Amino acid sequence: KNEVEQSPQNLTAQEGEFITINCSYSVGISALHWLQQHPGGGIVSLFMLSSGKKKHGRLIATINIQEKHSSLHITASHPRDSAVYICAVPVRDLGSGGGADGLTFGKGTHLIIQP
Amino acid sequence: GAGVSQSPRYKVAKRGQDVALRCDPISGHVSLFWYQQALGQGPEFLTYFQNEAQLDKSGLPSDRFFAERPEGSVSTLKIQRTQQEDSAVYLCASSPHRGFTDTQYFGPGTRLTVL
Repeated sequence: KNEVEQSPQNLTAQEGEFITINCSYSVGISALHWLQQHPGGGIVSLFMLSSGKKKHGRLIATINIQEKHSSLHITASHPRDSAVYICAVPVRDLGSGGGADGLTFGKGTHLIIQP
Repeated sequence: GAGVSQSPRYKVAKRGQDVALRCDPISGHVSLFWYQQALGQGPEFLTYFQNEAQLDKSGLPSDRFFAERPEGSVSTLKIQRTQQEDSAVYLCASSPHRGFTDTQYFGPGTRLTVL
């Protein structure tokens, strides 16, 4: 089973700061998800990426497949960005055959942006 | 368009009762996933359907947990003889195609409390 580590677990920052959240995983994958979970439980998919970088508004996600590492960046952070950010990878690795189905999730990074 | 819906949103059960949790995926989505999220933790994969076929149930914690998707659309997660450790949010997600390589769209979850 793929193991996922996120850091930091908790992050409090001031509005406008540049935010970086890191994710490392243990076995090779074909793609990785970044998810956002607001208080109350709703999960929204932010990115799914398999290489390089993706950008959506103030959010940027990067992945290095060889190093088994991904980062999520938030530029010009705002209080509405306050949420839990979760990294998720396939349950099984690329070599297990039959494709990966479910996701293994990190414990999440609790982000609070103060005005 | 409608997203993934789940019902009930909240369920309180006495220990030993059976419960049934419903998921209505986005119409036409091939893949359907169930996850369990304990308080303060990231979601954990339970089971995966491709249309009506349950291709992976490796995450179901015990034989008290049973899931079905008989017509390849609506899915039901049933928990028999509920225990206190079953208390969690149960999340359903669907995606347009097979497996991991698509964005997963999450429902709001069902919060189960077992007394």
